[in-house]
Order: sequence, then structure tokens, then C-alpha cells
Amino acid sequence: QQQVKQSPQSLIVQKGGISIINCAYENTAFDYFPWYQQFPGKGPALLIAIRPDVSEKKEGRVTISFNKSAKQFSLHIMDSQPGDSATYFCAASRVNDMRFGAGTRLTVKP
Amino acid sequence: KAGVTQTPRYLIKTRGQQVTLSCSPISGHRSVSWYQQTPGQGLQFLFEYFSETQRNKGNFPGRFSGRQFSNSRSEMNVSTLELGDSALYLCASSLAWTTGELFFGEGSRLTVL
Repeated sequence: QQQVKQSPQSLIVQKGGISIINCAYENTAFDYFPWYQQFPGKGPALLIAIRPDVSEKKEGRVTISFNKSAKQFSLHIMDSQPGDSATYFCAASRVNDMRFGAGTRLTVKP
Repeated sequence: KAGVTQTPRYLIKTRGQQVTLSCSPISGHRSVSWYQQTPGQGLQFLFEYFSETQRNKGNFPGRFSGRQFSNSRSEMNVSTLELGDSALYLCASSLAWTTGELFFGEGSRLTVL
């Protein structure tokens, strides 16, 4: 069962543009919402995370927006760079349990 | 500080065989979780161990099992392999799950022929 729905499946953005990836979850017991970045041949690495008591969190060029009532959250990468090209996974977590979205393959064209 | 180490990195098996994958977590991390990654399905949660106890299990058949040792190293086993078991199997460790941050290994890529 897909407890976390992620879209789009793939995304192509020009260098300098904004990359936006959306996720929706079902289980209101989740209390931690991380985004992971995965490069080919590597395991996922934590990019940024948010808890439901915060509506937005920004770290450098990356922002998470969180809408608790809609059970949705999104990742925004500003001024996207070719080095950002990777697969991004959203996730929803509670103690002992983390569920991932299906992933978004981001390609940033120079 | 060494990261999460998974062995073997690549392996090829035939249908009906079994396979054991190993994971050494970051030193001091007591929680180890396992995920199956396939194209289109993303990362599917298999199970999580803490202090040698399985605390949670995903929606996989009983052919998938795991265990954790007293030194926090973990193994997962898949018996009676099927073609659909071909995937990248990722292990992740964390201190105690409370922070939610997982540290992933590079995975073991299993091909079932």
C-alpha cells in the first residue's frame, strides 16, 4: 500500500529554475517528514526534514512547505543547478516506521 | 567515522535459492532498518530492529526475514527467491529512531535469474 504519494515521477528544469516536488500522506500518526536525495550508485541521504508543528522550513536553496490539514508537503529547490540532478524521495515517519514516496527523478539542464 | 556498510554489493542468484545480506551500522547506532528499492515502487519498508528486537515489519511475505546481533550488525534473508525479488536492498541505521534521520548504506543489488 502506498501510504505516501509523490509527484511528479520525473522533472526536467532549466538551470536557475525552481524545482517543485509534491507529496501527500494518509496516516495522521506520522510526525516527521524528511526528504532524501539519492545519486546513482549511492544510498539516499537526508536533505531536509520538517515536523508538523512548522509550516515551512528553509535551508539554503531548499524549502519544505507543510500543510497539515491537507496532509500534503512539498520540496522547493530554488536556483536549481546541474549538481542537483538526482532522485528525490519524500517520506513520512513515526517511531519505528518510515514510509517513502515512489521518488522523483530531477534533471537540471545547463 | 565509518558509514553504513553493506555486503555483498552485488549478487546473482537463481529462482528458488536463498540469500543473506549483511549490514554494519554506524558505530553507536542501535536501530537498523531495511528497505527494498525497485524502479517505480521506490523504497519499500521491510523491517526495523533495535537492540536485537524487531519492532516493526512492512508488508512483505514471510520469505523475508531478518535479525540483529548484539553488536547491532544486522542480516536479512530471503528464501525461495522469485524473479520479482530482484532489487536494491538498502540498510539504514540511526541512533534510536527518535530523530527520524536515517543513514543509508550503498545497498546490495540482487539479481534473480
